[in-house]
Amino acid sequence: NAGVTQTPKFRVLKTGQSMTLLCAQDMNHEYMYWYRQDPGMGLRLIHYSVGEGTTAKGEVPDGYNVSRLKKQNFLLGLESAAPSQTSVYFCASTGAGKGHSNQPQHFGDGTRLSIL
Amino acid sequence: GESVGLHLPTLSVQEGDNSIINCAYSNSASDYFIWYKQESGKGPQFIIDIRSNMDKRQGQRVTVLLNKTVKHLSLQIAATQPGDSAVYFCAELNTGATNKLIFGTGTLLAVQP
Repeated sequence: NAGVTQTPKFRVLKTGQSMTLLCAQDMNHEYMYWYRQDPGMGLRLIHYSVGEGTTAKGEVPDGYNVSRLKKQNFLLGLESAAPSQTSVYFCASTGAGKGHSNQPQHFGDGTRLSIL
Repeated sequence: GESVGLHLPTLSVQEGDNSIINCAYSNSASDYFIWYKQESGKGPQFIIDIRSNMDKRQGQRVTVLLNKTVKHLSLQIAATQPGDSAVYFCAELNTGATNKLIFGTGTLLAVQP
């Protein structure tokens, strides 16, 4: 049981390049989330998904797109990377059904992204 | 607006002492609270949670206290060990309104041997 797995772990991009971050969970969780973590600012929600085929905007969605084509995968895309998107990105998931909102989110170990 | 602060509040304790990490939450309607531990280079790791119908919950070496009157949450770690050194942050949720957690910025716990 791997939990939440993020790939890649590290990446350096040039301004204007595009890339996709992959998150996979093997816990059959309904809800998945993408966060960014910057020094002194805590975790900020970018986008989230409440189920396969659905996505919604979080607190800081601009410059990012997401897709949830399969229940176990949640992809985060940067179409045209900017230096302001240099950050550590975390994916999380949590269950659904009765009491789902009272379950903690499980996090991956992050993707460290630098935009030059 | 963005926070300018780059330095986390730090709690320094001696190995073997008890640690108390505090958190003030923002929404009086929040009814579910979680403490996470984040080690360097790792993702946040769930420690313990508590629902608003409780004021205390105990785990292994950890206790969470909830004071809804003053919107305050604390995490107590007994017999702190070097492996407890990490950033700890709380998260709150209003389960009736949203499925989005609100995270605090964290406290760095430094355990001195």
